[in-house]
Amino acid sequence: NAGVMQNPRHLVRRRGQEARLRCSPMKGHSHVYWYRQLPEEGLKFMVYLQKENIIDESGMPKERFSAEFPKEGPSILRIQQVVRGDSAAYFCASSPTGGAEAFFGQGTRLTVV
Amino acid sequence: GQQLNQSPQSMFIQEGEDVSMNCTSSSIFNTWLWYKQDPGEGPVLLIALYKAGELTSNGRLTAQFGITRKDSFLNISASIPSDVGIYFCAGPNFGNEKLTFGTGTRLTIIP
Repeated sequence: NAGVMQNPRHLVRRRGQEARLRCSPMKGHSHVYWYRQLPEEGLKFMVYLQKENIIDESGMPKERFSAEFPKEGPSILRIQQVVRGDSAAYFCASSPTGGAEAFFGQGTRLTVV
Repeated sequence: GQQLNQSPQSMFIQEGEDVSMNCTSSSIFNTWLWYKQDPGEGPVLLIALYKAGELTSNGRLTAQFGITRKDSFLNISASIPSDVGIYFCAGPNFGNEKLTFGTGTRLTIIP
């Protein structure tokens, strides 16, 4: 049973470009969470999605950030017009029931130059 | 919002030593989770605690859910080189299982 798969592992974008981060949850998991981690800090919640629905996006910046989890395919975290401050590691986690025990992917490290 | 403070922030120990770290909260949690993060990797769940006073072990790791429900402790016995990493406590917001993570304890083993 493959774990949570995130790609790409590393992503470099110039200021103003778009970044698309993908997350395939574990098989049978329909709950997906996205977290952001700045260097030397803990993970900060961004958004919680179930298939085709955003359940909680209280941690998402109001502008430029969006997330989706379509009926088919991976969950996507999209950052438009990236700025240097968006440079961070972005982690996806999934769980089968929305319970506390979520399993994390290896993350996507975004660098904005 | 909820905050989780971990101490110590970092630890430098010799191989074979026991390790203790703790996590305190400004509010009550109904579940405590302990994760380990290796460099360049995602967090891996070590132990989950669901009841106040609960003591749970996973190999050389032992964690306790504090009676007040505002703290938790993680102990590692007889540390080995692969224990190096950052340890995070985390707890879910009640009614919505998004996790609040602690500030982390960085463990380094001195040769």
